[in-house]
Amino acid sequence: EAGVTQSPTHLIKTRGQQATLRCSPISGHTSVYWYQQALGLGLQFLLWYDEGEERNRGNFPPRFSGRQFPNYSSELNVNALELEDSALYLCASSLKPYYGYTFGSGTRLTVV
Amino acid sequence: GIQVEQSPPDLILQEGANSTLRCNFSDSVNNLQWFHQNPWGQLINLFYIPSGTKQNGRLSATTVATERYSLLYISSSQTTDSGVYFCAVMNTGNQFYFGTGTSLTVIP
Repeated sequence: EAGVTQSPTHLIKTRGQQATLRCSPISGHTSVYWYQQALGLGLQFLLWYDEGEERNRGNFPPRFSGRQFPNYSSELNVNALELEDSALYLCASSLKPYYGYTFGSGTRLTVV
Repeated sequence: GIQVEQSPPDLILQEGANSTLRCNFSDSVNNLQWFHQNPWGQLINLFYIPSGTKQNGRLSATTVATERYSLLYISSSQTTDSGVYFCAVMNTGNQFYFGTGTSLTVIP
């Protein structure tokens, strides 16, 4: 069984640009979650999508947005990039809410 | 949100030693998982354990939900066990709250 896949692995952007990160959940998983792990700040919850709808959102500005497609894959968009957006962005999926999570390998975003 | 405290924050072990990592949380939860983050940043799920005891090889975990803590046991540690161990809990809202992690270094 394929795990959660994220792309790209690494992404370098200039301040002010937009970044798009992608996540494919485990087959059959309908819930997708996004987390940010910035240096020294630990893992912070960004977004939860289930069945194509945004179900919950963490304490991040509106320039962090995303969507979930009919095949349950998901996209995270970060607009107007700032230097402090540099972080590891992790995607996870679960079969159903409150069930076990499986994380992808992450996308390391560097803003210069 | 739920407060999650992990201890110890750092741990250095000789290869072959045993260790216990602790996770305390401030509210009732319906999900608790232990993760190992490898040097490349990937979070590997070790246990899904909202209550009870589970074992997987050299690792085992126990969660006492009524007393709001969980323990992760590592026996006969190996250098490949090095990394950061996170405890994460969840109640409503399907949002994980992570502890700050225990950084484990196993030296040969």
